[in-house]
Amino acid sequence: GESVGLHLPTLSVQEGDNSIINCAYSNSASDYFIWYKQESGKGPQFIIDIRSNMDKRQGQRVTVLLNKTVKHLSLQIAATQPGDSAVYFCAEIVTSNDYKLSFGAGTTVTVRA
Amino acid sequence: NAGVTQTPKFRVLKTGQSMTLLCAQDMNHEYMYWYRQDPGMGLRLIHYSVGEGTTAKGEVPDGYNVSRLKKQNFLLGLESAAPSQTSVYFCASSSNRGQETQYFGPGTRLLVL
Repeated sequence: GESVGLHLPTLSVQEGDNSIINCAYSNSASDYFIWYKQESGKGPQFIIDIRSNMDKRQGQRVTVLLNKTVKHLSLQIAATQPGDSAVYFCAEIVTSNDYKLSFGAGTTVTVRA
Repeated sequence: NAGVTQTPKFRVLKTGQSMTLLCAQDMNHEYMYWYRQDPGMGLRLIHYSVGEGTTAKGEVPDGYNVSRLKKQNFLLGLESAAPSQTSVYFCASSSNRGQETQYFGPGTRLLVL
């Protein structure tokens, strides 16, 4: 069954504000997490990843936080832009299980002008 | 470098018909995956392959078969299509163990009437 889920199915953000997308997971054996962005009509696109031995990782305008104590990860997008409108998925991997991804249902982010 | 490509982009089938979806990657990746995406359910793994000549079942394998005769290609077959197989199908690939990021194709939209 699905062990990765997102707290909210939709998120509306004012352009220029910061966005926070949350994800909870239940498999304590998960040791690698990925955030994907999917625009309408396209395949998922890799945004950022984090290993379970880390609690924070930063990319360009994005930061992923991992809290293993409560099995929670979040994606923060700084200065949200119209091009950030998309569905965001978190995915987990148990590397001992053939590196198969388990996806959450996704959060649809809409950026208001 | 085209990445991951999928053929066809869109197809309509009648119940009971068969078809094959083709996935090709030019990144010399060992691992390849087939997912289906349905509204509100994220992506679910159908079958995957950890190398040429190998295949394995994912989360929802029933009604599908796969083959990996060449490293760069991963075929998904529907022997007798059913309306429940109406979905968007995504192929993905990743390199050998140690680099887990999966790269996705643009998807194939399948409608079974």
